[in-house]
Amino acid sequence: KQEVTQIPAALSVPEGENLVLNCSFTDSAIYNLQWFRQDPGKGLTSLLLIQSSQREQTSGRLNASLDKSSGRSTLYIAASQPGDSATYLCAIAGSSNTGKLIFGQGTTLQVKP
Amino acid sequence: GAVVSQHPSWVICKSGTSVKIECRSLDFQATTMFWYRQFPKQSLMLMATSNEGSKATYEQGVEKDKFLINHASLTLSTLTVTSAHPEDSSFYICSARTRGGVSEKLFFGSGTQLSVL
Repeated sequence: KQEVTQIPAALSVPEGENLVLNCSFTDSAIYNLQWFRQDPGKGLTSLLLIQSSQREQTSGRLNASLDKSSGRSTLYIAASQPGDSATYLCAIAGSSNTGKLIFGQGTTLQVKP
Repeated sequence: GAVVSQHPSWVICKSGTSVKIECRSLDFQATTMFWYRQFPKQSLMLMATSNEGSKATYEQGVEKDKFLINHASLTLSTLTVTSAHPEDSSFYICSARTRGGVSEKLFFGSGTQLSVL
């Protein structure tokens, strides 16, 4: 059974810092991995999607990496801004690609001005 | 981009009443929709998979008679929480999968915060 773990659960950094969020998973048989952003009481915004055959994806100040063999993914945020404050969720789609996602518990990020 | 509309965005109800949540794909046909639940400080947990024209498939531990799911058309799925109790208070969110083609793109609704008094 796939399990997804995110560390740390919460993170507070001053504005301008670069930071890394971690996601680990127990079953390397995945279809893809996504990183989402969730603002309090809101839905999900997809940030980056990495297919199982890919090693990383970049969008603006965000870079996500995937290492299937070690069951890890990282989300790197460069030059953090207060507007980046949110909860970041990592989610795995299994290799059968049914559309079901298994989510980590998230990392709540606070970027202080 | 594809949009999934979910409403209501929040609802407060008395214990024992039923609440219906709608999830609608606005500009694409969704053969499959998913319903998730998120308790405070916890992650999203899949409740059920809803396929158009057939019965929903529920995850282990989710009561199908309590959480009624209807997917009557390719653009609409509904989740009805029957005889709601305070422990059902949670954030409910749907996602929709496009028909064929790029299935790895899932689109999420904006969620419904349910508070049962």
